[in-house]
Amino acid sequence: DTAVSQTPKYLVTQMGNDKSIKCEQNLGHDTMYWYKQDSKKFLKIMFSYNNKELIINETVPNRFSPKSPDKAHLNLHINSLELGDSAVYFCASSQGAREGNTIYFGEGSWLTVV
Amino acid sequence: GQSLEQPSEVTAVEGAIVQINCTYQTSGFYGLSWYQQHDGGAPTFLSYNALDGLEETGRFSSFLSRSDSYGYLLLQELQMKDSASYFCAVSSGYSTLTFGKGTMLLVSP
Repeated sequence: DTAVSQTPKYLVTQMGNDKSIKCEQNLGHDTMYWYKQDSKKFLKIMFSYNNKELIINETVPNRFSPKSPDKAHLNLHINSLELGDSAVYFCASSQGAREGNTIYFGEGSWLTVV
Repeated sequence: GQSLEQPSEVTAVEGAIVQINCTYQTSGFYGLSWYQQHDGGAPTFLSYNALDGLEETGRFSSFLSRSDSYGYLLLQELQMKDSASYFCAVSSGYSTLTFGKGTMLLVSP
C-alpha cells in the first residue's frame, strides 16, 4: 500500500491554465505538506497543514491554493500557470509537526508548463 | 533565516567509505536530518540527530556537533545502489524543515 500517494504523476499544460494535484496519505498522520523541487533539486516547503489547519505558508504566490478537506488529504490548486511553475511537487506527511518527526514523501508530480 | 551548506557532488568507488558534510546557520535549532533521493524518486528519511554525537544505522551513520553547527553523513561499504542525492535538513521550529541543496553521490565500480 502506498503511504503517501499523489496524482497525477506527470502533468503537461499550457501557460494560463488552472490545474490541481491531489494528495492522500494512509498513515494516519495529522500533518501534511507541499514541497517544490526545482530543476537544481532545491527542495523548498510551500505549505504545511496540521489537522486541516494551515500552519505554514511560505512565500508562495497566491495563485497556489492548498485545500485540506480532512487530515488525510491535502490538494494543491494552481491558477494561471506560468513557465516558472515547472517543477516537481512533492506531497508529504508526518505524525505531528514537532521537530524531528520523520517526513514521508509521495512520489512527486512532475509539472511542465509550456 | 536558515542556510545549509553541503558539497554539490562526491564520487567514490564501491566498497569505500564516504563522508558528506553539512554546515548550517539557523535560529532555533532543534536537530539535523538526512534524506536520500534517487533520481526520479521521492526523498526518504535516513537519520535524525538532536544531540551531539554519532548515530549508527547499519552502513549509514550520522554525526552532529551543535557547538560547531556541523554534521555529517557517513556511508560505509558503498554499493552502486547508494548513488543518489543526499540532503541535510534542519528542524528549526514547529513543522519547519529546511533542506540543503543536496549532494549527489556517484558510486563507481
